[in-house]
Amino acid sequence: QKEVEQDPGPLSVPEGAIVSLNCTYSNSAFQYFMWYRQYSRKGPELLMYTYSSGNKEDGRFTAQVDKSSKYISLFIRDSQPSDSATYLCAMSRDSNYQLIWGAGTKLIIKP
Amino acid sequence: DAGVIQSPRHEVTEMGQEVTLRCKPISGHNSLFWYRQTMMRGLELLIYFNNNVPIDDSGMPEDRFSAKMPNASFSTLKIQPSEPRDSAVYFCASSAETGNSPLHFGNGTRLTVT
Repeated sequence: QKEVEQDPGPLSVPEGAIVSLNCTYSNSAFQYFMWYRQYSRKGPELLMYTYSSGNKEDGRFTAQVDKSSKYISLFIRDSQPSDSATYLCAMSRDSNYQLIWGAGTKLIIKP
Repeated sequence: DAGVIQSPRHEVTEMGQEVTLRCKPISGHNSLFWYRQTMMRGLELLIYFNNNVPIDDSGMPEDRFSAKMPNASFSTLKIQPSEPRDSAVYFCASSAETGNSPLHFGNGTRLTVT
């Protein structure tokens, strides 16, 4: 079993829909949780960064961490075609060089 | 801020040849990471430098792979000799400090070994 599980998709939704992307993990010591967005033929870019449990909101994006269930989510409201990309979750116990990455979910927003 | 700059963007080479990938991190960042991304294995950390010193190279797959960071503004990843299974996208990333500063990735080098 992988330390971090993420459905690779693809996930296809119509423009304007609310998108929910998720990762589960097995290591209860993880404290730092990140979501990166990767466009085709580009490097990953940080979208959201959360420490421990709770929610964090930034514009149309909300990151949620449920440590009791070992489950993290990224919600995208009012999805746009420009949100079409691969979304990778990443997490660590205490250091950015020990990030554990999900496989990435490919998201397609249909106009 | 020009971001992390990698070169070349694409590299096609024949098996057995030497390949050198280059990276210029963001100015002022003191941590540098080399990653490899494939469909099968996702993102894998190859090596991590802090203040130009290799801290963890446990992800380097074989002795054929080597990395250097001669100064704060330049790093190389070399594969010698290259093999078809080395075909992947290689990313360089930098961060401002150790701990949990976010990683800033370059746009990668797509390596194809025939």
